[in-house]
Amino acid sequence: DVKVTQSSRYLVKRTGEKVFLECVQDMDHENMFWYRQDPGLGLRLIYFSYDVKMKEKGDIPEGYSVSREKKERFSLILESASTNQTSMYLCASSLRFGPNQPQHFGDGTRLSIL
Amino acid sequence: AQSVAQPEDQVNVAEGNPLTVKCTYSVSGNPYLFWYVQYPNRGLQFLLKYITGDNLVKGSYGFEAEFNKSQTSFHLKKPSALVSDSALYFCAAGGSGGSYIPTFGRGTSLIVHP
Repeated sequence: DVKVTQSSRYLVKRTGEKVFLECVQDMDHENMFWYRQDPGLGLRLIYFSYDVKMKEKGDIPEGYSVSREKKERFSLILESASTNQTSMYLCASSLRFGPNQPQHFGDGTRLSIL
Repeated sequence: AQSVAQPEDQVNVAEGNPLTVKCTYSVSGNPYLFWYVQYPNRGLQFLLKYITGDNLVKGSYGFEAEFNKSQTSFHLKKPSALVSDSALYFCAAGGSGGSYIPTFGRGTSLIVHP
């Protein structure tokens, strides 16, 4: 089974801090994704990556950046955390690029910005 | 732009009764359709997908989904609900003529009463 591991389940940070969320997948998947999940809004795509060092903006990239230096690792960075970034963050991966590929999700990081 | 609608925020069903969670979609080209389940404090788990072929797709945990092209629907079904099926269910859709990233619905909370 594919395993997607997010480094923290719960995280509390302060406004203005630089925050790093880490995600690792163990199945040599090409694609990785970062979503945020908010009640009533479902999943919203922040960024995705289809190859090492490649990244594309999703629907809500403002205030975030990403890094993919190795195939198995995809990091989400909050450059200067704000309270409206308090949310559940989900990392996912898929084997290949394309609309017919199911995604495999980590268990999420619940981030609180105080 | 592609979109997914899950018209019910919550579905209530008694244990042992059949359940249906509704999903309609709008995509360009041929549709690729997915259902995921999310248990509390966990990430999303892939349940099943429709790519092509039979309109009735069977998936994990006894779930199945019916693809209806004319109604652009992909409803999730189970003949006999279990209390342990209580969770949040997400439908996702992509199309061969559009974005390479599937779009998620807002989710439907399924509550199975003993």
